[in-house]
Amino acid sequence: GQNIDQPTEMTATEGAIVQINCTYQTSGFNGLFWYQQHAGEAPTFLSYNVLDGLEEKGRFSSFLSRSKGYSYLLLKELQMKDSASYLCAASGGYQKVTFGIGTKLQVIP
Amino acid sequence: GAGVSQSPSNKVTEKGKDVELRCDPISGHTALYWYRQSLGQGLEFLIYFQGNSAPDKSGLPSDRFSAERTGGSVSTLTIQRTQQEDSAVYLCASSSQRTDTQYFGPGTRLTVL
Repeated sequence: GQNIDQPTEMTATEGAIVQINCTYQTSGFNGLFWYQQHAGEAPTFLSYNVLDGLEEKGRFSSFLSRSKGYSYLLLKELQMKDSASYLCAASGGYQKVTFGIGTKLQVIP
Repeated sequence: GAGVSQSPSNKVTEKGKDVELRCDPISGHTALYWYRQSLGQGLEFLIYFQGNSAPDKSGLPSDRFSAERTGGSVSTLTIQRTQQEDSAVYLCASSSQRTDTQYFGPGTRLTVL
């Protein structure tokens, strides 16, 4: 089976940097996804890490350590529109993906 | 269409009635997923299709829930004898064979009175 852990809520200030952590335990593992979900909307894809290390994509970066079962999503220069839930999801092979409960991020002025 | 579509967008039904939810995946996507999301909660996996077969039905909450997929495309999720606790947003997602990235539809908001 698969188990995904991430904080339920975080608050950060506009313009700052925030790191959202995720740990996973899986019986099989291909890679780690991050999705963004605004209130009342469907999740949208942010990133997918297969190899260890940091991948940067504009203001968002995602890190993976396969040996530690650990990932984080780093958001820089926070904007009010970044207020959303961020879902960590582990790919366990042959297109089976398990989602965490999501971290609700509130960006304050 | 370019994305995943779901219908209806909203459904209000009375307790005990059956409902059928539809999902049209992205053309060519072989994998199709159904999730449920209650207000303020995370995604609850229901069922996953690879082509027309469902290798993983482990998330279906009870035997009142069933799903099928025909022609490797459209899928329907049926809930029989609906209960108030079935009220939630039902999300469908699809992915291609080349990548596990899931693309979500807008969801169907189900309200059972």
